[in-house]
Amino acid sequence: DTAVSQTPKYLVTQMGNDKSIKCEQNLGHDTMYWYKQDSKKFLKIMFSYNNKELIINETVPNRFSPKSPDKAHLNLHINSLELGDSAVYFCASSQDVGRGYTFGSGTRLTVV
Amino acid sequence: QKEVEQNSGPLSVPEGAIASLNCTYSDRGSQSFFWYRQYSGKSPELIMFIYSNGDKEDGRFTAQLNKASQYVSLLIRDSQPSDSATYLCAVDRSSNTGKLIFGQGTTLQVKP
Repeated sequence: DTAVSQTPKYLVTQMGNDKSIKCEQNLGHDTMYWYKQDSKKFLKIMFSYNNKELIINETVPNRFSPKSPDKAHLNLHINSLELGDSAVYFCASSQDVGRGYTFGSGTRLTVV
Repeated sequence: QKEVEQNSGPLSVPEGAIASLNCTYSDRGSQSFFWYRQYSGKSPELIMFIYSNGDKEDGRFTAQLNKASQYVSLLIRDSQPSDSATYLCAVDRSSNTGKLIFGQGTTLQVKP
């Protein structure tokens, strides 16, 4: 069983569209994250939820809206997609952050 | 100055050699330190974490932390071609938020 699963794995869409990425973890972790990895492989945190509560909200355009229906799920909705949104988006989860995260397999978003 | 800095490489070592990967961080109050390995097209996977000054060994991997000098390193003994990947250093500035700050990664190439 996959510990942290994301769907879709690839997403190609046109500028201006709205899209969602879903993430589910079966590890029983309390905290989930969204990270963006750019073309230079730099990973930057976007959001974090602890047991459905938003605890980290970085400087991210408000076109990005996370939603956590329960502690096992954290989805990311993106409105009015722009070319600069093209990246790999990773979901991650942790129980004890001192022991690091478990990452999902990533969603490669390409905006054309 | 970036919060977490790594030499992007590539670092090239022959098979069987010791690979030494270095990372410096700017926030002296940082609590926890992590090394992730990322193969091309895959998600980051946790190799090691370290909290205290000194060395921590796990198999062929040794993490070294020097808080006074604000650097953390990863040594890979008996390097194998399968170790060829990008190695990401991450720092948790505060154990309360779980927000990991990543370096840009060092690409390691192990040549047979």
